Amino acid sequence: AQKVTQAQTEISVVEKEDVTLDCVYETRDTTYYLFWYKQPPSGELVFLIRRNSFDEQNEISGRYSWNFQKSTSSFNFTITASQVVDSAVYFCALSEATTGNQFYFGTGTSLTVIP
Amino acid sequence: DAGVIQSPRHEVTEMGQEVTLRCKPISGHDYLFWYRQTMMRGLELLIYFNNNVPIDDSGMPEDRFSAKMPNASFSTLKIQPSEPRDSAVYFCASSPRGPGRDTQYFGPGTRLTVL
Repeated sequence: AQKVTQAQTEISVVEKEDVTLDCVYETRDTTYYLFWYKQPPSGELVFLIRRNSFDEQNEISGRYSWNFQKSTSSFNFTITASQVVDSAVYFCALSEATTGNQFYFGTGTSLTVIP
Repeated sequence: DAGVIQSPRHEVTEMGQEVTLRCKPISGHDYLFWYRQTMMRGLELLIYFNNNVPIDDSGMPEDRFSAKMPNASFSTLKIQPSEPRDSAVYFCASSPRGPGRDTQYFGPGTRLTVL
């Protein structure tokens, strides 16, 4: 079973629109960690955020914000006023304390911001 | 601080040849991970090391793949003999503590093409 589901394969928005990337996870652990990574066209994987399971506070960093809801097992990522430079593939990942040896990556959401 | 360094960035080889990919983790990081990324399978963990010792190599696809970490600042992933289906981007990542609790920082990747 897929531990991390990113149902949106591709999203296109016009510049300055807001966009939300969905991430749903599955785990039986009470202690776990959630991550978002950005993979721009250049190919590198850039860390964006880490959230542990005991901290449900939403986080905002500039135009980026994250909504963590344990009740729905979701960790969604919103980009406000999108820009062309936001065009990338975004990956959500899960790490569990009991099997902390690896990340479970989602399949990624490809975001295209149209100027 | 320098990030994770990988070399070469691109490798083109012919089927049957030996390929060696190299990685220098971030100084002070205790964990090192090797991943493979393909369109079909997404990001796959191949193997990871803790303090230079291989901990989990269950993701290594076949005996043709081998990985070593002779010291804290260097690791290699070798494919011998290479096959066209090995064509992928290979990422190295490192993290400073238990992999479930800390972020993995990725290198720029090596794009391998086996003809």
